[in-house]
Amino acid sequence: DQQVKQNSPSLSVQEGRISILNCDYTNSMFDYFLWYKKYPAEGPTFLISISSIKDKNEDGRFTVFLNKSAKHLSLHIVPSQPGDSAVYFCAASTPNEGAQKLVFGQGTRLTINP
Amino acid sequence: DSGVTQTPKHLITATGQRVTLRCSPRSGDLSVYWYQQSLDQGLQFLIHYYNGEERAKGNILERFSAQQFPDLHSELNLSSLELGDSALYFCASTPFPAGSEAFFGQGTRLTVV
Repeated sequence: DQQVKQNSPSLSVQEGRISILNCDYTNSMFDYFLWYKKYPAEGPTFLISISSIKDKNEDGRFTVFLNKSAKHLSLHIVPSQPGDSAVYFCAASTPNEGAQKLVFGQGTRLTINP
Repeated sequence: DSGVTQTPKHLITATGQRVTLRCSPRSGDLSVYWYQQSLDQGLQFLIHYYNGEERAKGNILERFSAQQFPDLHSELNLSSLELGDSALYFCASTPFPAGSEAFFGQGTRLTVV
């Protein structure tokens, strides 16, 4: 049962344009969402997160949008740069102050073309 | 550099063997998590320790076990290894038991032959 889904395995975007990565989830108990970036031979690197009490969080070129009614979140990267080429994972967790179990999507490989 | 250290980086072993993967969390982080990434798969949560205590378990096989020591480093023990256990194993840490971003190590690539 894939509770967090990234339906696009890959995305190709021109340098300088906007990259939009999408993520859908099925578990309405998820209350904390994160995006990670992963380069080959490295561990995932935290990018940005959002709590379910918000619908938008912005950090520099990265903005995450959360639509709880649609159980959908997206990551916008503006402007896209060649160094943004990587695999992007969205992740979610349920409220439990004593423990945290991040559920990850399958990832989307983003390629930024010069 | 995330501050999370995993050793070894690569491990090749035969079926039926037992291996131990080691993780040192970021300085001050009390929580350690283990994840498995198989070929073409997302990261699968295995287990979470907080200050030496097991807090949550995911789809961790009975052949796998973990512990967190008083100095907060953690070890993941994999026994009776099968070909399907070949994967990247990541450790992550956070300062709190929940509600914060996890910082990941570079992973241990395990190949079972």
